[in-house]
Amino acid sequence: QSVLTQPPSASGTPGQRVTISCSGSSSNIGGNGVNWYQQLPGTAPKLLIYTNNQRPSGVPGRFSGSKSGTSASLAISGLQSEDEADYHCVAWDDSLNGWVFGGGTKLTVL
Amino acid sequence: QLQLQESGPGHLKPSETLSLTCTVSGGSVSSSDYYWIWIRQPPGKGLEWIGSMYSGSTYYNPSLMSRVTISIDTSKNHLSLKLSSVTAADTAVYYCARHEEVVDPPAVHNLFAPWGQGTLVTVSS
Repeated sequence: QSVLTQPPSASGTPGQRVTISCSGSSSNIGGNGVNWYQQLPGTAPKLLIYTNNQRPSGVPGRFSGSKSGTSASLAISGLQSEDEADYHCVAWDDSLNGWVFGGGTKLTVL
Repeated sequence: QLQLQESGPGHLKPSETLSLTCTVSGGSVSSSDYYWIWIRQPPGKGLEWIGSMYSGSTYYNPSLMSRVTISIDTSKNHLSLKLSSVTAADTAVYYCARHEEVVDPPAVHNLFAPWGQGTLVTVSS
């Protein structure tokens, strides 16, 4: 059972906009930044969004992040087939004194 | 370009001690500018933070703290993970990664990048 809650799956067709949610509490998302990682099939996770809405260089602008209260969201616009991957959220938890992850969301491009 | 590579036995029996190495190339594991972190992923499941090391200090997941040891060997430029008394629940892909903490007032950005490719460890009798 993961501390952060993500939907297990999401889907969309090419060109669509999809969002993936990540729900937590005041001790993690509510008080700290959220990062998102993209994990393509058979590969290691790769940093996609940091501190809620910042994109590392090289990440396309169609990926965006947001945070409100104790929840965060990852949005992908102009969905492409190569976006089919698992997406993971993570935040520091002040109560647990450690990094906590969501269970991951498997995105399927139909 | 910094690269990380995990290595270790792919199979263990219950109650044995898991020992993994993360070899760092293109940079120094002794740099005080970064944390070094271990994360695992059970088959078909989400990611779990195991622990971190920074400037000689270690920080562990409370749920694993009694069984985990993370250390650095500067002469070999690698990071090590030891997990004792393993059970089937410890079956996972184990990743090492660099954790960079970037202070950008008022924010502090925490970047886990890059990651190693991961190594699968299976615990069974």
